[in-house]
Amino acid sequence: AQSVSQHNHHVILSEAASLELGCNYSYGGTVNLFWYVQYPGQHLQLLLKYFSGDPLVKGIKGFEAEFIKSKFSFNLRKPSVQWSDTAEYFCAVNRRLYNTDKLIFGTGTRLQVFP
Amino acid sequence: EAGVAQSPRYKIIEKRQSVAFWCNPISGHATLYWYQQILGQGPKLLIQFQNNGVVDDSQLPKDRFSAERLKGVDSTLKIQPAKLEDSAVYLCASSLVRQGRETQYFGPGTRLLVL
Repeated sequence: AQSVSQHNHHVILSEAASLELGCNYSYGGTVNLFWYVQYPGQHLQLLLKYFSGDPLVKGIKGFEAEFIKSKFSFNLRKPSVQWSDTAEYFCAVNRRLYNTDKLIFGTGTRLQVFP
Repeated sequence: EAGVAQSPRYKIIEKRQSVAFWCNPISGHATLYWYQQILGQGPKLLIQFQNNGVVDDSQLPKDRFSAERLKGVDSTLKIQPAKLEDSAVYLCASSLVRQGRETQYFGPGTRLLVL
């Protein structure tokens, strides 16, 4: 089945540790890729997006993601996390299907950062 | 720029009761979405509107869920009658298309608890 997979369901890190959250999708063809973040008690916010061009995308708050087409992956990274990065992170893939755009989300990764 | 507005933020009802949620998208956004987010999962699309027309309602449980966007701006989502498994966060999103590329922006959601 076509899907978006986030392999890490729950990640616990200390402040200043490096972060990499995995995201893989199973769609062929052209896709647009997104990472959304949901801080505790807040709504989904766009972290970064990839449409085309440079496969290394920089987003807000020091996050970046790399699109590797051959691996169908769009992993999220941050070199040094902060306590304020504690949140749930969702990878999403937008693909055109039957002339409409569909945004398919992964199941999310909960990140907890301890001081 | 004002974001996507939703109300109410929280709702508790008993099973078999009815409930309605309201969404006001970002001004100028023609496309509006309703998603259901069950605890521990990513958002799942229920229905997509383009202006006041339905583009995709294939995932909407039409025996109990209905949605409308009469004037192409605000939208309401109704559940009648509610079941226990409808307990979830209902998210509204609207999207902006630039150069054929779409980005969705989400509201704060309505957290529904069915007892």
